[in-house]
Amino acid sequence: GAGVSQSPSNKVTEKGKDVELRCDPISGHTALYWYRQSLGQGLEFLIYFQGNSAPDKSGLPSDRFSAERTGGSVSTLTIQRTQQEDSAVYLCASSFRGYEQYFGPGTRLTVT
Amino acid sequence: GIQVEQSPPDLILQEGANSTLRCNFSDSVNNLQWFHQNPWGQLINLFYIPSGTKQNGRLSATTVATERYSLLYISSSQTTDSGVYFCAVGRDTDKLIFGTGTRLQVFP
Repeated sequence: GAGVSQSPSNKVTEKGKDVELRCDPISGHTALYWYRQSLGQGLEFLIYFQGNSAPDKSGLPSDRFSAERTGGSVSTLTIQRTQQEDSAVYLCASSFRGYEQYFGPGTRLTVT
Repeated sequence: GIQVEQSPPDLILQEGANSTLRCNFSDSVNNLQWFHQNPWGQLINLFYIPSGTKQNGRLSATTVATERYSLLYISSSQTTDSGVYFCAVGRDTDKLIFGTGTRLQVFP
């Protein structure tokens, strides 16, 4: 079956602009995670959705970052007023009931 | 929070050689995964192994949860094995905490 998909694959934006990154999880997976990978910080957790529970936002680095998950499926990560330090690869993962996680190909964000 | 250490940080091998990658973690976990990040950045699932031993072709993994470590064995390495290997741990259905990875280069 289809894996996790993310769009766009690459995004270049100017400092101060807002961006939206999309994730389509594996069909039937109840849990969805966002991570980011940057040279200085490695792979770090951002936010986690599980079913209808309140999301775990403990990894979001600032209030410029937000995410939503509509209908228990697709998720959008929004970064407002982007800064250069937001440049990274943003990775989405999904899992069935929160165990083994499967990752998408990522969105490479470059803030100029 | 849980700390994850991987060793060695870098590994250079000739094709056909065997290797062992290690992952140590600082607290009890019940979720542990090994990933291979290929040169295009895709994280590929290798093993979901919170405890015990599993094998898949030339790869095998062992996790000793009581001693807080996991090992990934690569036998008869091939150039396509090159990339970064990550260990990631978690509790229950929670987020994964990643190690800093082992960068493997396999030369013909």
